[in-house]
Amino acid sequence: EAAVTQSPRNKVAVTGGKVTLSCNQTNNHNNMYWYRQDTGHGLRLIHYSYGAGSTEKGDIPDGYKASRPSQENFSLILELATPSQTSVYFCASAPPGRSAETLYFGSGTRLTVL
Amino acid sequence: GDSVTQTEGPVTVSESESLIINCTYSATSIAYPNLFWYVRYPGEGLQLLLKVITAGQKGSSRGFEATYNKETTSFHLQKASVQESDSAVYYCALGHDTNAYKVIFGKGTHLHVLP
Repeated sequence: EAAVTQSPRNKVAVTGGKVTLSCNQTNNHNNMYWYRQDTGHGLRLIHYSYGAGSTEKGDIPDGYKASRPSQENFSLILELATPSQTSVYFCASAPPGRSAETLYFGSGTRLTVL
Repeated sequence: GDSVTQTEGPVTVSESESLIINCTYSATSIAYPNLFWYVRYPGEGLQLLLKVITAGQKGSSRGFEATYNKETTSFHLQKASVQESDSAVYYCALGHDTNAYKVIFGKGTHLHVLP
């Protein structure tokens, strides 16, 4: 069954440390996305990718980098983590197309930055 | 701008009661928006509940339904008789018709169904 798998499920990091969140999808979808979810906000787009080797800035990219080394994998990198990046992060994939398609989400990573 | 506003939660209803979660949207830069309802059950990621891409059409799934009303810019989620297993967070979302990455989510509505 096609799936989007995120790791780790939970992460505690220290301020100034480097954090890498990983996402793997078996949907063979070209498009992948990283969102964060905070209380009082809808999901907000951090970075997205149209395929291997591509990364694009979303609506709130500051403090984050992304890497798409292959069709299946899409990572979110916090080079210098800050407490304001404490959040729940969701990875998603979607088939290619000009219009917004159904998103397939992972189960989320809960990140706490102390 | 483009935005989604939905019922603020938490919403608490008893099993077998009816439910409506309101969703209205603003799509100033989108000619033909796609509308979605996603649901997030405890401990899981979001999953699509239903999707409608044509104004005037109704989508339905698992007893839920929503009608895409372009005149009132609304996409309310309804269910005639809820079950305890419907307890979850529900998100209304607006998708762009020419920019695939442009999906705007509402803040989510936490639904508690009492047994």
